[in-house]
Amino acid sequence: QSVLTQPPSVSGAPGQRVTISCTGTSSNIGAPYDVHWYQQLPGRAPKLLVSGDTHRPSGVPDRFSGSRSGTSASLTITGLQAEDEADYYCQSYDISLSGSVFGGGTKLTVL
Amino acid sequence: QLQESGPGLVRPSETLSLTCIVSGDSINTPFFYWGWIRQPPGKGLEWLGTIYYSGETYYNPSLRSRLSIAVDTSKNYFSLRLTSVTATDTAIYYCARRAVRPDRFDPWGLGTLVTVSS
Repeated sequence: QSVLTQPPSVSGAPGQRVTISCTGTSSNIGAPYDVHWYQQLPGRAPKLLVSGDTHRPSGVPDRFSGSRSGTSASLTITGLQAEDEADYYCQSYDISLSGSVFGGGTKLTVL
Repeated sequence: QLQESGPGLVRPSETLSLTCIVSGDSINTPFFYWGWIRQPPGKGLEWLGTIYYSGETYYNPSLRSRLSIAVDTSKNYFSLRLTSVTATDTAIYYCARRAVRPDRFDPWGLGTLVTVSS
């Protein structure tokens, strides 16, 4: 059972928009601590996709965007492409655990 | 760049030891922490622990009794030791650099698969 809750899977057709939610508590996202998103392509290590709720590292397309509200955060992908098919994880810090916490991951399928 | 190294097979009840060699960056900096994350086959990510260049450590409460992380600033690497392993410790183990604030992990090593089996 992960501290941060994500839907196990989402799907969308090429060109469509999908949103992945990440729900936490007042000890982490709601504290408020930053939320970061990672993309893990099959067989690869996770890669930072969105940092500090909304910031994209250099090289990440602007099709990827993050947002937060209260104890939840979201990753939105617009203009879906086949290469976006991957697992996506949210991460934050939890004051009660004094450490980092991850969501359970969401598998994105591009139909 | 970070690179994990260590045995790919560990016997049950023994100790798992891994090293993360850091290149192109100095561990001896106040701007970053250095962390370990693992991923059991087909499952999600689990934060294990983090160390600061001073040697200050932070552990996942669920592993605190079995886990230790150390840093060698002179050789620019940090390491993980997990004692009394069982099959549930089978996972890909990643090392990663963590910014002080915001606490993102970037970059990550390629990961190394450790299997616990007799």
